[in-house]
Parts: sequence; C-alpha cells; structure tokens
Amino acid sequence: GAVVSQHPSWVICKSGTSVKIECRSLDFQATTMFWYRQFPKQSLMLMATSNEGSKATYEQGVEKDKFLINHASLTLSTLTVTSAHPEDSSFYICSARAPLAGGLTGELFFGEGSRLTVL
Amino acid sequence: GQQVMQIPQYQHVQEGEDFTTYCNSSTTLSNIQWYKQRPGGHPVFLIQLVKSGEVKKQKRLTFQFGEAKKNSSLHITATQTTDVGTYFCAGPNNQGGKLIFGQGTELSVKP
Repeated sequence: GAVVSQHPSWVICKSGTSVKIECRSLDFQATTMFWYRQFPKQSLMLMATSNEGSKATYEQGVEKDKFLINHASLTLSTLTVTSAHPEDSSFYICSARAPLAGGLTGELFFGEGSRLTVL
Repeated sequence: GQQVMQIPQYQHVQEGEDFTTYCNSSTTLSNIQWYKQRPGGHPVFLIQLVKSGEVKKQKRLTFQFGEAKKNSSLHITATQTTDVGTYFCAGPNNQGGKLIFGQGTELSVKP
C-alpha cells in the first residue's frame, strides 16, 4: 500500500514555543491530506483538511491561527503548533488517500504519528 | 451532525475466545472502513465494504455491512494475542471526502 511518513515521532518542547510536524507521501502524490489529533484511549478527531496549493479547511472548534497547516507540494504537508501549551500535548497523525485506489471516499493511509509533550 | 457509534468501548477476552465489535451510523453510508491501531501505533487500514449486506473475510476476521448500509460489524474468531489493539470503524461524511471515525473498541487478549 501507499506509504505516508511523519516526522518527528516524538517531540518535547517548552511552553510557548512552536513545533513543526511534517507529513510526507513517499510513493504517491497527495493533493489532500488530513490531520488528526488523538488523546489517550480516545478516537481520532479530524482537525483539518490540507489542500495542496490552497488554504486548509479547519474543523469547527480548531483554531487555525494556533494550528498552522501548509501544503506546499503534492508530497508534503506540515502542521505547526504555535505557542504550544501543555493542553496541546497529544498524538497528532496525518493521513492521505492513494489517488488511484482511494477515489474520494476510499481508504486512508496514516503516518506513524507524532507524540507532542509540552512542558 | 453525522455520527458513527461503536460498541463496546473495551473488550477483554481469553485467548481463543471470539470477539465482535459493532458500528452504527446515524446516516446511510456509501462505504464503511475498518482500521486497527496497535498500542503506541498508528491506524492501519483493514478493509472497505461498499455493498449492502456485504460480507468479507480475512482469515479469522469477518466483516459485515448491514442491509441498510448504516451498520457494520467485525468478528474475530479464536482471538490471538496478536489481535490486541483498538479497532475503529469509519464512514465518509455526507459531503464526501472526510472520514468520520467511531470511538473504537479496545481489545485485550489474555494468553
């Protein structure tokens, strides 16, 4: 299947700093990527849809100025958590659809996830 | 809004016992997908069901899509310790594109 790579896997930062997480599609081009957030023992919460070459679409309740998403190329989307605080500590996961098999509603391929801890 | 509900939230079984998780959507779905997330890992796609009443099997796993395309189930026969993880169902939202995930069922298997 398609491969999505996410970096870094773990990050610890001080409160008030910004953290950038990268999501790459390694063997396909992804015009759309999705960013999820997952708290322990909970489901995946969609934060935003990242669209190549245009602004991201944020879900209700997600602060777009705090969670900056950039999708500058067909293989890379980045999520920047700005001025991070302890409540932003979470597991952030990106995903994308393989363009041929996935269609518009097909399977998602997930990155390995990035575990953010804000001290 | 559109919701995907999943039960049970947790299931603890003895190795060799069967396991079933159920998924219900508030709306009719064009398809239903199942994912498995191992502890500390990321979700991995298992299967997609598209047709009303569809049943698919993957070794000891049986997936079913309801006739009304609003519910689904995953049944594991004779669980093994390798089956441990959280199983999520997911369906596309009404506008297409986004996947709405159920809350997941966490399966633990005692050897």
